[in-house]
Amino acid sequence: KAGVTQTPRYLIKTRGQQVTLSCSPISGHRSVSWYQQTPGQGLQFLFEYFSETQRNKGNFPGRFSGRQFSNSRSEMNVSTLELGDSALYLCASSFGGADTGELFFGEGSRLTVL
Amino acid sequence: GENVEQHPSTLSVQEGDSAVIKCTYSDSASNYFPWYKQELGKGPQLIIDIRSNVGEKKDQRIAVTLNKTAKHFSLHITETQPEDSAVYFCAATGLYSSASKIIFGSGTRLSIRP
Repeated sequence: KAGVTQTPRYLIKTRGQQVTLSCSPISGHRSVSWYQQTPGQGLQFLFEYFSETQRNKGNFPGRFSGRQFSNSRSEMNVSTLELGDSALYLCASSFGGADTGELFFGEGSRLTVL
Repeated sequence: GENVEQHPSTLSVQEGDSAVIKCTYSDSASNYFPWYKQELGKGPQLIIDIRSNVGEKKDQRIAVTLNKTAKHFSLHITETQPEDSAVYFCAATGLYSSASKIIFGSGTRLSIRP
């Protein structure tokens, strides 16, 4: 069974640009949640999508948005990039919601903003 | 807001010795406490979890203890091996509570000295 796949793995952007990251969950999983990982801050929850609906949202500005497609694949978008957005962005999938137990993480997309 | 504090941020132990990582949570509604291990270049992976109706859970060399009254939970690794070197994250959330957001600790970098 294939794991969670995130693309691209690495990307470099400049301030003011926007970026779109993609996440393909494990087959059959309906929930995709997104996290920002920075040194010293750990993992911070961005949002969760379940069956194409945003189910929950963390404390991030509106520049961070996401969506989920009918095949459960999810994308997150960050507009008007700032230097502080440089981070590893992880997505995780689960069969039920993110509140039902184990999360299966991808390897992440590392974003560098110059 | 809800918070999970994790200590220490770095930990170095001799191979064969034990390692203990401690976390404290603030949200009384939390009833599910997973621990994730993140190896270099990979996404976090669940290694053990505990629910609030249990005080201790063990899986081979790994154990987790929970003190609901004090809102503390700890990860214990015995007979440490080189492959235990990784970053460990604790987390707290409400199980089967769609409004609950998973909160992660800031991580502990564990190094095993040969």
